[in-house]
This record gives sequence, C-alpha cells and structure tokens, in this order.
Amino acid sequence: ETGVTQTPRHLVMGMTNKKSLKCEQHLGHNAMYWYKQSAKKPLELMFVYSLEERVENNSVPSRFSPECPNSSHLFLHLHTLQPEDSALYLCASSRRWLAGVSSGANVLTFGAGSRLTVL
Amino acid sequence: GIQVEQSPPDLILQEGANSTLRCNFSDSVNNLQWFHQNPWGQLINLFYIPSGTKQNGRLSATTVATERYSLLYISSSQTTDSGVYFCAAYQNYGGSQGNLIFGKGTKLSVKP
Repeated sequence: ETGVTQTPRHLVMGMTNKKSLKCEQHLGHNAMYWYKQSAKKPLELMFVYSLEERVENNSVPSRFSPECPNSSHLFLHLHTLQPEDSALYLCASSRRWLAGVSSGANVLTFGAGSRLTVL
Repeated sequence: GIQVEQSPPDLILQEGANSTLRCNFSDSVNNLQWFHQNPWGQLINLFYIPSGTKQNGRLSATTVATERYSLLYISSSQTTDSGVYFCAAYQNYGGSQGNLIFGKGTKLSVKP
C-alpha cells in the first residue's frame, strides 16, 4: 500500500464508451497528477492539480477530462477514446507542486496504475 | 525543455552482481528523483537527490548537478530488483518548473 489508490486496476472499453478512472490519496498531499505510460515511451505528464486547481494541462485531447473535487480525490473521465489511448494511467501525489530545491516537498508517490485497453 | 537520457536501456545481471545506472540531463535541474517500477507497474520512489550522495540499504545514488548526471548503484543484486529504473528531473528555471521530466528507463533483469 503506497498511500495512493487507483481504481479500477484494469479497464477495457469500446471507443464509444464513457468511463472514469479514480485516484485517492490519504497522505495529506496538496498536489495530484495524472501520467500516461505507453509502451516504449517515457512517462508523459497529462494534468496537475494543486490545491484542487488545475495548474498544468499538457496539450491533452479533450476526450480526457480531469476532475479534482477535493485534495484527496482525482478523476480522469474518458469518452470516445481511440485505440492508441491504450496505456497505463498513473496517478501520483506530492506535498506540494512547486517547492524549493532542497525541500523534497515535490517528491512523487505513485498509485499502482490503471491499465486501459481501448478496443 | 530539458532532456533526460538513461543508460543502458537494458541490463541483465546474475544474482549477486553489482551495477551502475546512469542518468544524464541536458540542463540545470533543481530536483532529481529515482524510481523503480516493478513488473506489475507500481512505481516506487527510491531517492530524492538534487545533489550529493545518499544510501538506502543495497542502493545508493549520487548526483553531480554541475556535471549534469546522476548515478544509481545497486550492489549484491537480487531477483526482486528486476524491473525498470527511471530517473526524473525538474527544470531549474524557465517554463514548466512544475513538470517532472522522466527518462525512458533502464530495464533490469536479475537472473537467479
């Protein structure tokens, strides 16, 4: 148990479906992140929420819609996805988003990931 | 933005052997983290090491920020060390300070 819980762990969906990924952290952190990990590619940052406000949106297609209702929960709503969106989606949290050099406050704690397959 | 390069991309070790993984970054960074991803996908933070040397059991890491590299040492490797090791760095100045940029990883396989 890492303190960051993701559900579901596995998800198979058709291109016309609507589904959501959920992330929950009980670490008292103020920043939460969605990363995408595709085969043979580095982890890609998708969204950052700091104190429940979206602070980063890295040119992610609108078929991915994040939601952060409070500092402990983060959702990724999915609709009309493409097969190339199949990947491991990782949620992470940190005490703060931007922090000083030596504070360690932006050290990431990751969830176990949600493996998404789009048919 | 900064580039983070890791080497080697793949590494196969016999149990008990030592290894060194390298991470080079293209620009000044103020934060360097090492992660281990197990075969089931779980990423665990190993070290937060903007500079200097840290040790945790059989693992240690050294970052020389002025020369833009970091090293991860694994001693007396065990089969449970298998997985992918990532380094990640925050940009020190300019835009996107909040983005942790990941390398492509080193895939380690430890054989019994």
